[in-house]
Amino acid sequence: QLQLQESGPGLVKPSETLSLTCTVSGDSINSGSHYWGWIRQPPAKGLEWIGSIYFGGSTYYNPSLKSRVTISVETSKTQFSLKLSAVTAADTAVYYCARHIPYYYYIDVWGKGTTVTVSS
Amino acid sequence: QSALTQPASVSGSPGQSITISCTGTSSDVGTYNLVSWYQQHPGKVPKVMIYEVTKRPSGVSNRFSGSQSGNTASLTISGLQAEDEAEYYCCSYAGSSTLVFGGGTKLTVL
Repeated sequence: QLQLQESGPGLVKPSETLSLTCTVSGDSINSGSHYWGWIRQPPAKGLEWIGSIYFGGSTYYNPSLKSRVTISVETSKTQFSLKLSAVTAADTAVYYCARHIPYYYYIDVWGKGTTVTVSS
Repeated sequence: QSALTQPASVSGSPGQSITISCTGTSSDVGTYNLVSWYQQHPGKVPKVMIYEVTKRPSGVSNRFSGSQSGNTASLTISGLQAEDEAEYYCCSYAGSSTLVFGGGTKLTVL
């Protein structure tokens, strides 16, 4: 059964880089059959797509975050990561990793989410 | 890429039907017919209810249905039940392998 699990620091200082990892079990990141991405949800607010990575390492980012975001696949090929630079309090959110379906572009599997707070 | 527009809240009584709208532009909803809908209960992970405008994943009740006209997609829930009370989000493909979400709609079952 496919499972996604986010991990990383729960507290990040303003202006620093937020780094999260998603561990995938039950599927292969490099199979080419799915996109792997990140979505976030600020407290009491809606969902925001951050970006995704596809087979071969092609990346796609939300234009509003593109200058600060990097998504990559770890060498283990069972993990992918998110880096968000120059964070501010506005980046405080629950961060979800997720799998989404090519061609139909819907998210079929979500991680449980991890809360990241930006504060000094 | 702007967020899709959803009403902040809708409500209905048990057994009734409600519809949630999701308005985008010709750059997303209106061009690609690739709208999905997600249900999120408080403190829980979102769950896909509809994809490709009208399709239901296996296991989702047929009380949930989707439609689209031009730049506006809609989610209809018939035979409202207490367990349907949740936040609902639409999401559309926006070209170049990007996605855009709506702001969310809180459904209250009276």
